[in-house]
Amino acid sequence: AQSVAQPEDQVNVAEGNPLTVKCTYSVSGNPYLFWYVQYPNRGLQFLLKYITGDNLVKGSYGFEAEFNKSQTSFHLKKPSALVSDSALYFCAVRLLPGFQKLVFGTGTRLLVSP
Amino acid sequence: SAVISQKPSRDICQRGTSLTIQCQVDSQVTMMFWYRQQPGQSLTLIATANQGSEATYESGFVIDKFPISRPNLTFSTLTVSNMSPEDSSIYLCSVEDLGGWDYGYTFGSGTRLTVV
Repeated sequence: AQSVAQPEDQVNVAEGNPLTVKCTYSVSGNPYLFWYVQYPNRGLQFLLKYITGDNLVKGSYGFEAEFNKSQTSFHLKKPSALVSDSALYFCAVRLLPGFQKLVFGTGTRLLVSP
Repeated sequence: SAVISQKPSRDICQRGTSLTIQCQVDSQVTMMFWYRQQPGQSLTLIATANQGSEATYESGFVIDKFPISRPNLTFSTLTVSNMSPEDSSIYLCSVEDLGGWDYGYTFGSGTRLTVV
């Protein structure tokens, strides 16, 4: 079955340290991959996406992600974490062309400590 | 990118009643998607709504429980029928943005439903 996985329920990092939130996918063909962030009591905000082209994608708020086809991964990264980055992060994949719906991972809670 | 207005933002409802959630998009879109996010969980797709045809429901979701209307290319409603406390969730609508280079998906701000 086509899916996306986020193996960590929670990631803890100290402010100023680099952070990584992991995502792997299982999709036939060339996937469209997305990262979204959800702050408490707020909607889903788009961070970045990979459609095609450069494997390193830069997005909002200093986040970036690297598409790795051989490892079927799309990990979210940031060089220096901020306390305000603490939120719930979702990886999502659009299925094969012709199926426009997004499938979401289970989410990873990022906690950045001062 | 598209802008979605979703309402109500939250509601507290009695069990056995129904709630209709509305999503208005500022541009014409072919497909609209309805998601449910149960407390502490990820987003699960309920159905995909095309204008002029019946919605397509995902496994585990049925039209009698979650009827959807899609009267035109900018508007859709999701009704949560005969509610029980298990329906307490955040419900979100979404559209696929096909505009120019900024391809992606835009989400409404969500409706936080509590059933008592």
